[in-house]
Amino acid sequence: EDQVTQSPEALRLQEGESSSLNCSYTVSGLRGLFWYRQDPGKGPEFLFTLYSAGEEKEKERLKATLTKKESFLHITAPKPEDSATYLCAVQVGGATNKLIFGTGTLLAVQP
Amino acid sequence: GAVVSQHPSRVICKSGTSVKIECRSLDFQATTMFWYRQFPKQSLMLMATSNEGSKATYEQGVEKDKFLINHASLTLSTLTVTSAHPEDSSFYICSDQLAGVETQYFGPGTRLLVL
Repeated sequence: EDQVTQSPEALRLQEGESSSLNCSYTVSGLRGLFWYRQDPGKGPEFLFTLYSAGEEKEKERLKATLTKKESFLHITAPKPEDSATYLCAVQVGGATNKLIFGTGTLLAVQP
Repeated sequence: GAVVSQHPSRVICKSGTSVKIECRSLDFQATTMFWYRQFPKQSLMLMATSNEGSKATYEQGVEKDKFLINHASLTLSTLTVTSAHPEDSSFYICSDQLAGVETQYFGPGTRLLVL
């Protein structure tokens, strides 16, 4: 069964304290791995798509990396406005384009 | 990224009534739209895939007669929760996808509360 697991469930950082969020997956055939940010009461906001092991993408203080079993979202020198839930999702091969989401990591960055 | 709107953003209804939620793709014609449900402190669960001009494909465990999906145009999909009950209270989110592109862009969500 296709599965996506994110850790930790929650993470509290001081402003400027860098860290990483983990997304591990077991799927039958990975077509793509997606990172989204979700603020309370809002829909997910697209951050990155990764397609193959070794690929990296960066946007401001965020960098996403991908291996054959997991992805990391690195947050460098976070600011309070980076506080949100970060969701990882995988798209598997087949006729549909469905996404399978992890349960997310709730990040709180304190000033 | 793509812009997706949902209406209403929040709805409160009595048990037994039906509620319609609209999802609009504002900046491109989306051949495929997706409907998700998110319960408190849980992740998004796909309910159904909506294709323009054809019947929706429902995920296992989702009642197609209770959650009616219509995708009558390339920019509009609707989800109707029929005979809503308190256990249907949730956050409903749609997404769209441009043909040939894997990325899904999400709407702002609709909070449904059934009393």
